[in-house]
Amino acid sequence: GEEVAQTPKHLVRGEGQKAKLYCAPIKGHSYVFWYQQVLKNEFKFLISFQNENVFDETGMPKERFSAKCLPNSPCSLEIQATKLEDSAVYFCASSPSSQGFGGYTFGSGTRLTVV
Amino acid sequence: SQKIEQNSEALNIQEGKTATLTCNYTNYSPAYLQWYRQDPGRGPVFLLLIRENEKEKRKERLKVTFDTTLKQSLFHITASQPADSATYLCALDRQDDYKLSFGAGTTVTVRA
Repeated sequence: GEEVAQTPKHLVRGEGQKAKLYCAPIKGHSYVFWYQQVLKNEFKFLISFQNENVFDETGMPKERFSAKCLPNSPCSLEIQATKLEDSAVYFCASSPSSQGFGGYTFGSGTRLTVV
Repeated sequence: SQKIEQNSEALNIQEGKTATLTCNYTNYSPAYLQWYRQDPGRGPVFLLLIRENEKEKRKERLKVTFDTTLKQSLFHITASQPADSATYLCALDRQDDYKLSFGAGTTVTVRA
């Protein structure tokens, strides 16, 4: 399809619970990016993939965050033992190239609320 | 430290006027700069990309300029319409750094 599909749209978790977010990139786009947007602040880069391989994970808080992009499956972002500060909108984007010369296509995001 | 600043948090203009948004950056050498539009509850939508060796790009009523000496990009919406009301984000990418760094955005409201 021509859109990046993110599920669920909303997710509520108690502090300490696990959260798992999904992203189906556009067919034919080999690069997938995850960003975190807290309230109205800037987007924070988390991780990127080239197909199923991690391309850049410099933004990931590795102790609790993990991500995968497996063949024939949606990509996923998992947060173990969520904290209040993880409350944010998580956006996934895909691109046919690493530098998005035609722009990146973003999904509508998953709003995670940790209570 | 690296910084990307969009100098107005909010911009209110009358329909038909030109909206001009500014994106300034410091301690950055972007290979190119992108502008996105974000509506409430939605992800950013790509509008325009301009490379470091380009001065100006246009698309319909949109115009972007890029001045690497001033370290600044200007984004213009001409003949603005209420449907242009949204938050506009600038984003930079370096040649060897395959991820976007975003400004905080400017929320534009066009009054009929």
